[in-house]
Amino acid sequence: SAVISQKPSRDICQRGTSLTIQCQVDSQVTMMFWYRQQPGQSLTLIATANQGSEATYESGFVIDKFPISRPNLTFSTLTVSNMSPEDSSIYLCSARQGARYEQYFGPGTRLTVT
Amino acid sequence: GNSVTQMEGPVTLSEEAFLTINCTYTATGYPSLFWYVQYPGEGLQLLLKATKADDKGSNKGFEATYRKETTSFHLEKGSVQVSDSAVYFCALSKGGATNKLIFGTGTLLAVQP
Repeated sequence: SAVISQKPSRDICQRGTSLTIQCQVDSQVTMMFWYRQQPGQSLTLIATANQGSEATYESGFVIDKFPISRPNLTFSTLTVSNMSPEDSSIYLCSARQGARYEQYFGPGTRLTVT
Repeated sequence: GNSVTQMEGPVTLSEEAFLTINCTYTATGYPSLFWYVQYPGEGLQLLLKATKADDKGSNKGFEATYRKETTSFHLEKGSVQVSDSAVYFCALSKGGATNKLIFGTGTLLAVQP
């Protein structure tokens, strides 16, 4: 299994600012994903981070709001731009190795926007 | 489309009680099925999985059997402990190029001593 770390673990941000969340995997992985978990809710996939190309976004999520980078096979970042209180959530990074179907998750970044 | 339906919580049990958390799915073909667990303040951990019909996934005393005829993947444990208190998510993956995970709404389990 892959071990995934995220930074920061939590942050409190002002409305209108941006926050970049980092995700580091301890081994090379084929796919990386970003999810949002709103308070008391299930997980919603934001986008798939593709190495060497643009991320693939799910319906309701756009690149201008959630730009993603994936410069190599072990690292990705998600930026939450122009934040509003509705962006207060836990943001989770996950990764999949090779042809295996299961995904492994990071501990999450708890974001509060005031 | 593909979806996962879980029983609503919270589920409150006494220690050593039997646990069942129901999960049913809607999907074409043969998805892989998963149970993830989220302990308070932590990220998701893969608890168990099954990739084809009649497979039984098991881990830490938890079991779930992939039942294609009833499109179900119910989670069971014979004797729960206080340390099992967490939110449990059922999920499916159709695999393929993107391997998206589709999650149920989660079920909060509270085990009392």
